[in-house]
Amino acid sequence: EAQVTQNPRYLITVTGKKLTVTCSQNMNHEYMSWYRQDPGLGLRQIYYSMNVEVTDKGDVPEGYKVSRKEKRNFPLILESPSPNQTSLYFCASSLSASGTYEQYFGPGTRLTVT
Amino acid sequence: GESVGLHLPTLSVQEGDNSIINCAYSNSASDYFIWYKQESGKGPQFIIDIRSNMDKRQGQRVTVLLNKTVKHLSLQIAATQPGDSAVYFCAERLVSFQKLVFGTGTRLLVSP
Repeated sequence: EAQVTQNPRYLITVTGKKLTVTCSQNMNHEYMSWYRQDPGLGLRQIYYSMNVEVTDKGDVPEGYKVSRKEKRNFPLILESPSPNQTSLYFCASSLSASGTYEQYFGPGTRLTVT
Repeated sequence: GESVGLHLPTLSVQEGDNSIINCAYSNSASDYFIWYKQESGKGPQFIIDIRSNMDKRQGQRVTVLLNKTVKHLSLQIAATQPGDSAVYFCAERLVSFQKLVFGTGTRLLVSP
């Protein structure tokens, strides 16, 4: 089944404790992206990648890191999480190299930072 | 499940009614639009898309209408079912920035 998977689905952590949220897609898509979703706001892009070893900042990159060592994986790293990073996170991928056409989303990761 | 928004506009309909969900987009130069459905506890799911050179596009039980004059997009769902209950949001492709911008959404509640 074609899909985007994320792990973990739920995570509660404390301020400053490094964490990684994994994302994997099995559709051989070039483009992958991370978003956060907060009440009253639309999806906001954190980072995106148009190809292996190519990553770029989105609209809200502060406090996050990403890597794209393999085509299928795009992990999101929070080196020192803070409470304002409490949010619902989605990974997405797209057949379109620019990502500006249909994007397929993962199931989401609910992160709480205390 | 996760709540995507505590203060989203809400449309309540009866099962079997037709639903119309609206979206105002921001940029007159946007050339492509998508409607997504997001059920509680799940990621957004593609419903239908439309390019700016079209006014209307139909799918299975859904129709998207595009009015470029007033920068308005609508999603019509025919014979709405309880399984249609979800948050619906639109996305527009900003050509100049080569990115998708997502709206905040409307919650659709379908009563049996």
